[in-house]
Amino acid sequence: QVQLKESGPGLVQPSQTLSLTCTVSGFSLTSNSVHWVRQPPGKGLEWVGAIWSGGSTDYNSALKSRLSISRDTSKSQVFLKMNSLQTEDTAIYFCTRLIGYWGQGVMVTVSS
Amino acid sequence: VLVTQTPSSLPVSLGDQASISCKSSKSLVHNNGITYLAWFLQKPGQLPQSLIHTVSNRFSGVPDRFSGSGSVSDFTLKISRVEPEDLGVYYCLQYVHYPYTFGAGTKLELK
Repeated sequence: QVQLKESGPGLVQPSQTLSLTCTVSGFSLTSNSVHWVRQPPGKGLEWVGAIWSGGSTDYNSALKSRLSISRDTSKSQVFLKMNSLQTEDTAIYFCTRLIGYWGQGVMVTVSS
Repeated sequence: VLVTQTPSSLPVSLGDQASISCKSSKSLVHNNGITYLAWFLQKPGQLPQSLIHTVSNRFSGVPDRFSGSGSVSDFTLKISRVEPEDLGVYYCLQYVHYPYTFGAGTKLELK
């Protein structure tokens, strides 16, 4: 059974770094890509970036300078790190296979 | 790539047919000949659920009242007879050009 579950802090201070973990089960990271998508409160969906089965990454160009996606295949985990957070980064962050399976999402609030 | 979804709001009665348009500023046909356009439904307070991928292919478990069509840069999602569980916000997604981009969403709601 395919599952994805996000974890991380609910509150981050402005200018600090966000670290999120996506723990997956039911599929292999070496055979499937994992994406991050975010949704500000009351707004639409924004693709953040992806890590592909071979380990390469692609990022939303608007976030690229602040963003890093990596993984630990032995633990079936994907990591998102975003620095220099601002209030506009407040959103639900989803990890997802994109086409198919989604995690429940984790709400991240950027506030002092 | 800009993805323009219309209408932004679609009031319907149960049993009606509903149609949502998604237009992209570029062709969504990959070099391999496959067109990468997907549809999602997000019900209030829930995560997005995948409905259709590659223009017209329904995910397992998606009722056949949902159908996707279109080509190149002009796509449509049709719901043949709207049921209560179909209400929510629909998004299209192009996943051929980086960065991948979603439409702004269409809220399907009762009249």
